[in-house]
Amino acid sequence: EAGVAQSPRYKIIEKRQSVAFWCNPISGHATLYWYQQILGQGPKLLIQFQNNGVVDDSQLPKDRFSAERLKGVDSTLKIQPAKLEDSAVYLCASSLESSEAFFGQGTRLTVV
Amino acid sequence: KNQVEQSPQSLIILEGKNCTLQCNYTVSPFSNLRWYKQDTGRGPVSLTIMTFSENTKSNGRYTATLDADTKQSSLHITASQLSDSASYICVVSIYNTNAGKSTFGDGTTLTVKP
Repeated sequence: EAGVAQSPRYKIIEKRQSVAFWCNPISGHATLYWYQQILGQGPKLLIQFQNNGVVDDSQLPKDRFSAERLKGVDSTLKIQPAKLEDSAVYLCASSLESSEAFFGQGTRLTVV
Repeated sequence: KNQVEQSPQSLIILEGKNCTLQCNYTVSPFSNLRWYKQDTGRGPVSLTIMTFSENTKSNGRYTATLDADTKQSSLHITASQLSDSASYICVVSIYNTNAGKSTFGDGTTLTVKP
């Protein structure tokens, strides 16, 4: 079974630029999550999708972050404009309803 | 406020030794507690999951315990190996929800030296 795929693995951008991350969840997983993990901390949920609908985006900084999952499968997370404090690993995870979440390898973002 | 506190923040042990990692939580209403292992540069991988009625669960050399009364959990690693070097994250979920309503600890970074 293929795991959660994320790209790119690494990204370096200057502050005020924009960036987008892509995630392809495990086939059949209706629930998809985006997490932000700052170095030395645990993952923090940014947004949760159930199919193509948003379940929870209460911690998503909506002035600069956006995410979509138009066809209920893969998803993109965008940051525009980026700030220095956005430097982190962005993890995507997917799950069947109310079950274990499987994580991708993450995208390491560095904002300079 | 739902919180998960892990200790120690970091730990260095010699290969072959045992160690115990701690997790205290204030999450309510409690549904389940997971321990994840996160290798450097990788996403977290679930080691164990425990519900309210479970006191202990093993996965190979990993044994998790749960005391729902004191809201404490521990992860015991036996006969450590170099490959155990990783961050171990405790995650507590509230009742009847999935990982999206979970509270993550900041993890314990374990280094196993030869």
